[in-house]
Amino acid sequence: ETGVTQTPRHLVMGMTNKKSLKCEQHLGHNAMYWYKQSAKKPLELMFVYNFKEQTENNSVPSRFSPECPNSSHLFLHLHTLQPEDSALYLCASSQGDSGNSGANVLTFGAGSRLTVL
Amino acid sequence: GQNIDQPTEMTATEGAIVQINCTYQTSGFNGLFWYQQHAGEAPTFLSYNVLDGLEEKGRFSSFLSRSKGYSYLLLKELQMKDSASYLCAVMDSNYQLIWGAGTKLIIKP
Repeated sequence: ETGVTQTPRHLVMGMTNKKSLKCEQHLGHNAMYWYKQSAKKPLELMFVYNFKEQTENNSVPSRFSPECPNSSHLFLHLHTLQPEDSALYLCASSQGDSGNSGANVLTFGAGSRLTVL
Repeated sequence: GQNIDQPTEMTATEGAIVQINCTYQTSGFNGLFWYQQHAGEAPTFLSYNVLDGLEEKGRFSSFLSRSKGYSYLLLKELQMKDSASYLCAVMDSNYQLIWGAGTKLIIKP
């Protein structure tokens, strides 16, 4: 496979469930990102990992827990979510999360559509 | 605060030209990006502008004026497959991407 792959594509969960979103990239990129996309709102950056180290956590509630075991894989563990967490969760990767804007072109996955009941 | 403004929705006719505007107010500037996102699909990179002027790439062109905090994406010879959302994003002085809410473009036959 090539590009950025996200699974599952759709997920419905109750507020007491625990689930995980998975992201995998085969581009040799060093930075990986989790974004939240809600209808008619700008993309919200949640977490950034650069060379497997978390470099950004944008005040995300602790019910979202990221994990980056290696530079190709990224997980988002979900626990005790709220209905307002229902959204499209996008994973992205780039060559590096640093200066040189031209190297920061993001390659996105198709997203995981999450519905919290 | 930092802000990106772009129209919520636009409608255009197949074969015509459409211009999608983006205005920004950010703490510093390290480039402006345009992405295309078809419904249910991943956003894909269209263009990157860091210097003033027009960048042309086939049917798509992107323009930047840093002094005016303004960019536009120009789509020529519109095709039905151009129906999508177009996202504008600016990289600020901390190399953080600030995103607009996106413009949904509807192409009619």
